Amino acid sequence: DAKTTQPNSMESNEEEPVHLPCNHSTISGTDYIHWYRQLPSQGPEYVIHGLTSNVNNRMASLAIAEDRKSSTLILHRATLRDAAVYYCILRLFNNNDMRFGAGTRLTVKP
Amino acid sequence: NAGVTQTPKFQVLKTGQSMTLQCAQDMNHNSMYWYRQDPGMGLRLIYYSASEGTTDKGEVPNGYNVSRLNKREFSLRLESAAPSQTSVYFCASRRIRDRKETQYFGPGTRLLVL
Repeated sequence: DAKTTQPNSMESNEEEPVHLPCNHSTISGTDYIHWYRQLPSQGPEYVIHGLTSNVNNRMASLAIAEDRKSSTLILHRATLRDAAVYYCILRLFNNNDMRFGAGTRLTVKP
Repeated sequence: NAGVTQTPKFQVLKTGQSMTLQCAQDMNHNSMYWYRQDPGMGLRLIYYSASEGTTDKGEVPNGYNVSRLNKREFSLRLESAAPSQTSVYFCASRRIRDRKETQYFGPGTRLLVL
């Protein structure tokens, strides 16, 4: 299975943009890039996903490198509520096996 | 909609005891999942059910059994609990729409096996 590499932790100031990187050099052409986040003491929640093109939604933006070997989750204005562990996950469409790594723990400072 | 609900929220067991973790979803999703999360780690898939009447093993199925009772409910059973099964257990269901798939997770069950 293609693996992802994320920094263990990152810090941000409140109301500043945050760029969370993810490396996936062995990604296959049919792997989608998914991002989930897990707030403290909660189950994970979907953030965004993409295949080749950059994607935007109300929560975040996903920037995907042209060679697809890396991607960046962008939170445009971090809030205290965005403090969570962010997981970058590769998966085939409709594949039931979703592999979570350790993720990036984001700390947001007031 | 309640989304994905799990019971109980907390449970303490002695080694060798059995218990069933309950999960239900009210979103009419076909696929449901059971994960475990150990401290400081990501989630690992135990079992999944792609549709009512089917179940399959995930990454770490040993020591567990599952039942897809109907489309709404998917239970996880520990027949003889071991301390290594101390973990937080998450149930999830999956929506697929327009080639976009999203998993929705429950709040988790915290299990301590002594």
